[in-house]
Amino acid sequence: EPEVTQTPSHQVTQMGQEVILRCVPISNHLYFYWYRQILGQKVEFLVSFYNNEISEKSEIFDDQFSVERPDGSNFTLKIRSTKLEDSAMYFCASTVKAYEQYFGPGTRLTVT
Amino acid sequence: GESVGLHLPTLSVQEGDNSIINCAYSNSASDYFIWYKQESGKGPQFIIDIRSNMDKRQGQRVTVLLNKTVKHLSLQIAATQPGDSAVYFCAEILSGSARQLTFGSGTQLTVLP
Repeated sequence: EPEVTQTPSHQVTQMGQEVILRCVPISNHLYFYWYRQILGQKVEFLVSFYNNEISEKSEIFDDQFSVERPDGSNFTLKIRSTKLEDSAMYFCASTVKAYEQYFGPGTRLTVT
Repeated sequence: GESVGLHLPTLSVQEGDNSIINCAYSNSASDYFIWYKQESGKGPQFIIDIRSNMDKRQGQRVTVLLNKTVKHLSLQIAATQPGDSAVYFCAEILSGSARQLTFGSGTQLTVLP
């Protein structure tokens, strides 16, 4: 069964550093999303991406964040200058019909 | 504003019993409601969804009920098994949005042997 994959599984970085989180969505999917989950809290929407552009973003997704689909398979989330409060699990999701989103296993980002 | 929340943070049931997990929502402008299961260390896994113009939908061992009058959503799991132990989130998709999920805060289901 096809699945969404994410790398790395765990990323440790120092405050102020740039990080890039990578995702490979399911190949025939058209809608792509990033979510994050701070430890013990609910999953929060960051950004949606469709037809090679951002379709919607949340208040969390400020100028420090960017997304890219550099080729036909990868979908990346970049945080330009990480802050302590960016520490969280980051989940990528994709879907072909939007009402059944498939989530990846997540990247645990730790900012020290 | 949009808000999806859960009544109970934890629920313990005996193996073989039925489980009912509840969720309240406040936004009437939602097209779909979805239940996700999240096991420890994993991403959310789709369980079942229901369109806003329906009041009941059944899957394999799961049933979702939607009461729009009181803005309440529930997930019923029949014959709960140890593998059902996880955190369950309800989520909604707002009409006219980019179909992003707005998640509730989650209920931890523990299945007792």
